[in-house]
Amino acid sequence: ETGVTQSPTHLIKTRGQQVTLRCSSQSGHNTVSWYQQALGQGPQFIFQYYREEENGRGNFPPRFSGLQFPNYSSELNVNALELDDSALYLCASSSSLASNEQFFGPGTRLTVL
Amino acid sequence: RKEVEQDPGPFNVPEGATVAFNCTYSNSASQSFFWYRQDCRKEPKLLMSVYSSGNEDGRFTAQLNRASQYISLLIRDSKLSDSATYLCVVNMETSYDKVIFGPGTSLSVIP
Repeated sequence: ETGVTQSPTHLIKTRGQQVTLRCSSQSGHNTVSWYQQALGQGPQFIFQYYREEENGRGNFPPRFSGLQFPNYSSELNVNALELDDSALYLCASSSSLASNEQFFGPGTRLTVL
Repeated sequence: RKEVEQDPGPFNVPEGATVAFNCTYSNSASQSFFWYRQDCRKEPKLLMSVYSSGNEDGRFTAQLNRASQYISLLIRDSKLSDSATYLCVVNMETSYDKVIFGPGTSLSVIP
Protein backbone atom coordinates (compact mmCIF):
# COMPACT_ATOMS: atom_id res chain seq x y z
CA GLU A 1 0.00 0.00 0.00
CA THR A 2 1.44 3.37 -1.05
CA GLY A 3 1.16 6.21 1.44
CA VAL A 4 0.42 9.85 0.75
CA THR A 5 3.11 11.55 -1.30
CA GLN A 6 3.66 15.23 -2.02
CA SER A 7 5.83 17.17 -4.42
CA PRO A 8 7.98 19.10 -4.38
CA THR A 9 9.47 18.74 -0.91
CA HIS A 10 10.83 22.28 -0.86
CA LEU A 11 10.12 25.34 -2.94
CA ILE A 12 11.32 28.94 -2.96
CA LYS A 13 9.25 31.62 -4.68
CA THR A 14 9.10 35.41 -4.69
CA ARG A 15 6.18 37.65 -3.83
CA GLY A 16 3.56 37.85 -6.55
CA GLN A 17 4.45 34.54 -8.14
CA GLN A 18 2.14 31.55 -8.43
CA VAL A 19 2.78 28.03 -7.14
CA THR A 20 1.26 24.58 -7.65
CA LEU A 21 1.72 21.85 -5.07
CA ARG A 22 0.83 18.23 -5.75
CA CYS A 23 -0.46 15.36 -3.67
CA SER A 24 -1.08 11.69 -4.39
CA SER A 25 -3.52 10.19 -1.95
CA GLN A 26 -3.16 6.82 -0.32
CA SER A 27 -4.43 3.94 -2.42
CA GLY A 28 -8.21 3.60 -2.09
CA HIS A 29 -8.70 7.04 -0.54
CA ASN A 30 -11.17 9.39 -2.25
CA THR A 31 -11.01 12.35 0.14
CA VAL A 32 -8.16 14.83 0.26
CA SER A 33 -7.69 17.77 2.59
CA TRP A 34 -5.06 20.49 2.43
CA TYR A 35 -3.58 22.29 5.44
CA GLN A 36 -1.19 25.18 5.97
CA GLN A 37 1.15 24.92 8.95
CA ALA A 38 3.11 28.01 9.90
CA LEU A 39 6.16 27.61 12.11
CA GLY A 40 5.23 26.84 15.70
CA GLN A 41 1.51 26.48 14.98
CA GLY A 42 -0.91 23.67 14.30
CA PRO A 43 -2.11 22.90 10.78
CA GLN A 44 -4.88 25.20 9.50
CA PHE A 45 -7.56 23.68 7.25
CA ILE A 46 -7.56 25.15 3.73
CA PHE A 47 -10.10 22.98 1.90
CA GLN A 48 -11.25 19.43 1.29
CA TYR A 49 -11.98 17.58 -1.93
CA TYR A 50 -14.25 14.58 -2.25
CA ARG A 51 -14.66 12.81 -5.58
CA GLU A 52 -13.29 15.78 -7.54
CA GLU A 53 -15.54 18.38 -5.89
CA GLU A 54 -14.60 20.93 -3.22
CA ASN A 55 -16.43 19.76 -0.12
CA GLY A 56 -15.56 22.45 2.39
CA ARG A 57 -13.27 25.42 2.81
CA GLY A 58 -11.50 27.09 5.70
CA ASN A 59 -10.76 30.77 6.18
CA PHE A 60 -8.43 31.25 3.21
CA PRO A 61 -8.77 33.81 0.38
CA PRO A 62 -9.81 32.83 -3.17
CA ARG A 63 -6.21 32.97 -4.38
CA PHE A 64 -5.91 29.56 -2.72
CA SER A 65 -7.57 27.09 -5.10
CA GLY A 66 -7.45 23.40 -5.73
CA LEU A 67 -8.31 20.49 -7.94
CA GLN A 68 -8.88 16.80 -7.49
CA PHE A 69 -8.41 14.43 -10.40
CA PRO A 70 -10.25 11.18 -11.27
CA ASN A 71 -7.45 9.16 -9.67
CA TYR A 72 -8.06 11.26 -6.49
CA SER A 73 -4.68 12.98 -6.63
CA SER A 74 -4.90 16.69 -5.93
CA GLU A 75 -3.29 20.06 -6.52
CA LEU A 76 -3.15 23.19 -4.42
CA ASN A 77 -2.63 26.42 -6.33
CA VAL A 78 -1.71 29.70 -4.71
CA ASN A 79 -1.70 32.90 -6.77
CA ALA A 80 -0.13 36.27 -5.96
CA LEU A 81 2.11 34.82 -3.26
CA GLU A 82 2.63 36.84 -0.11
CA LEU A 83 5.42 36.58 2.46
CA ASP A 84 2.94 35.15 5.01
CA ASP A 85 2.26 32.22 2.68
CA SER A 86 5.62 30.79 3.76
CA ALA A 87 4.69 27.58 5.56
CA LEU A 88 4.56 23.80 5.43
CA TYR A 89 1.67 22.68 3.22
CA LEU A 90 0.26 19.31 4.20
CA CYS A 91 -2.03 17.07 2.25
CA ALA A 92 -4.07 14.41 4.05
CA SER A 93 -6.20 11.66 2.59
CA SER A 94 -8.93 9.54 4.09
CA SER A 95 -10.94 6.61 2.84
CA SER A 96 -14.28 8.44 2.93
CA LEU A 97 -16.03 11.49 4.34
CA ALA A 98 -17.10 9.37 7.27
CA SER A 99 -13.60 8.23 8.09
CA ASN A 100 -12.14 9.67 11.26
CA GLU A 101 -8.51 9.01 10.41
CA GLN A 102 -6.53 11.17 8.04
CA PHE A 103 -3.17 10.11 6.70
CA PHE A 104 -0.77 12.96 6.07
CA GLY A 105 1.89 13.32 3.42
CA PRO A 106 5.35 14.63 4.34
CA GLY A 107 4.43 18.14 3.22
CA THR A 108 5.88 20.78 0.94
CA ARG A 109 7.86 23.54 2.59
CA LEU A 110 7.21 26.80 0.74
CA THR A 111 9.37 29.85 1.29
CA VAL A 112 8.26 33.17 -0.19
CA LEU A 113 10.95 35.83 -0.44
CA ARG B 1 -10.90 32.91 21.84
CA LYS B 2 -9.28 30.24 19.66
CA GLU B 3 -11.42 27.24 18.77
CA VAL B 4 -8.91 24.76 20.18
CA GLU B 5 -6.38 25.70 22.86
CA GLN B 6 -3.59 23.68 24.40
CA ASP B 7 -1.03 24.02 27.18
CA PRO B 8 1.68 26.26 25.69
CA GLY B 9 4.58 24.10 26.83
CA PRO B 10 7.31 23.17 26.25
CA PHE B 11 7.33 20.27 28.67
CA ASN B 12 10.76 18.97 29.63
CA VAL B 13 10.52 15.78 31.67
CA PRO B 14 12.95 13.03 32.73
CA GLU B 15 12.64 9.51 31.38
CA GLY B 16 10.08 7.51 33.33
CA ALA B 17 8.03 10.53 34.34
CA THR B 18 4.29 10.86 33.88
CA VAL B 19 3.14 13.90 31.91
CA ALA B 20 -0.34 15.23 31.14
CA PHE B 21 -1.45 17.53 28.35
CA ASN B 22 -4.67 19.51 28.40
CA CYS B 23 -6.80 20.81 25.56
CA THR B 24 -10.00 22.86 25.53
CA TYR B 25 -12.38 23.52 22.66
CA SER B 26 -14.90 26.30 22.29
CA ASN B 27 -17.64 24.81 20.11
CA SER B 28 -20.02 22.45 21.88
CA ALA B 29 -21.11 21.03 18.48
CA SER B 30 -17.73 19.31 18.14
CA GLN B 31 -18.28 15.63 17.62
CA SER B 32 -15.04 13.72 17.51
CA PHE B 33 -11.66 14.22 19.07
CA PHE B 34 -8.14 13.02 18.48
CA TRP B 35 -4.56 13.34 19.55
CA TYR B 36 -1.93 13.51 16.81
CA ARG B 37 1.82 13.37 17.24
CA GLN B 38 4.18 15.40 15.08
CA ASP B 39 7.92 14.82 15.11
CA CYS B 40 10.24 17.68 14.21
CA ARG B 41 9.96 18.55 10.51
CA LYS B 42 7.64 15.58 9.88
CA GLU B 43 3.94 15.21 9.18
CA PRO B 44 1.33 14.68 11.92
CA LYS B 45 0.36 11.08 12.66
CA LEU B 46 -2.70 9.87 14.51
CA LEU B 47 -1.84 8.83 18.05
CA MET B 48 -5.30 7.96 19.30
CA SER B 49 -8.96 8.84 19.10
CA VAL B 50 -10.63 10.16 22.25
CA TYR B 51 -13.92 8.68 23.44
CA SER B 52 -16.33 9.86 26.10
CA SER B 53 -15.66 6.77 28.16
CA GLY B 54 -11.94 7.41 28.06
CA ASN B 55 -9.52 5.10 26.33
CA GLU B 56 -6.10 3.67 26.90
CA ASP B 57 -3.41 2.42 24.55
CA GLY B 58 -0.41 1.10 26.41
CA ARG B 59 1.24 4.00 28.22
CA PHE B 60 -1.17 6.53 26.74
CA THR B 61 -4.57 7.44 28.21
CA ALA B 62 -7.00 9.92 26.68
CA GLN B 63 -10.00 11.45 28.41
CA LEU B 64 -12.88 13.59 27.18
CA ASN B 65 -15.15 15.77 29.29
CA ARG B 66 -17.91 17.11 27.05
CA ALA B 67 -19.52 19.18 29.81
CA SER B 68 -16.27 21.10 30.37
CA GLN B 69 -15.24 20.87 26.71
CA TYR B 70 -11.91 19.49 27.77
CA ILE B 71 -9.62 16.74 26.46
CA SER B 72 -6.53 15.32 28.10
CA LEU B 73 -3.66 13.02 27.22
CA LEU B 74 -1.64 11.22 29.88
CA ILE B 75 1.69 9.60 29.07
CA ARG B 76 3.10 7.24 31.70
CA ASP B 77 6.70 6.04 31.96
CA SER B 78 7.94 8.55 29.36
CA LYS B 79 10.49 7.33 26.83
CA LEU B 80 13.04 9.37 24.89
CA SER B 81 11.11 8.44 21.76
CA ASP B 82 8.02 10.23 23.10
CA SER B 83 9.73 13.58 22.40
CA ALA B 84 7.50 15.31 19.86
CA THR B 85 4.74 17.89 19.51
CA TYR B 86 1.29 16.65 20.53
CA LEU B 87 -1.64 18.14 18.62
CA CYS B 88 -5.18 18.15 19.93
CA VAL B 89 -7.70 17.80 17.09
CA VAL B 90 -11.43 18.46 17.04
CA ASN B 91 -13.73 17.40 14.20
CA MET B 92 -17.03 19.24 13.83
CA GLU B 93 -18.35 16.84 11.15
CA THR B 94 -20.61 19.38 9.48
CA SER B 95 -21.31 18.99 5.77
CA TYR B 96 -17.60 18.31 5.54
CA ASP B 97 -14.94 17.25 7.98
CA LYS B 98 -14.23 20.58 9.66
CA VAL B 99 -11.04 19.52 11.36
CA ILE B 100 -9.46 21.99 13.74
CA PHE B 101 -5.98 21.49 15.10
CA GLY B 102 -4.73 23.03 18.30
CA PRO B 103 -1.36 24.81 18.28
CA GLY B 104 0.37 21.80 19.79
CA THR B 105 2.37 21.17 22.95
CA SER B 106 6.04 20.32 22.70
CA LEU B 107 7.42 17.49 24.84
CA SER B 108 11.09 16.76 25.40
CA VAL B 109 11.97 13.65 27.39
CA ILE B 110 15.42 13.99 28.88
CA PRO B 111 17.78 11.09 29.76
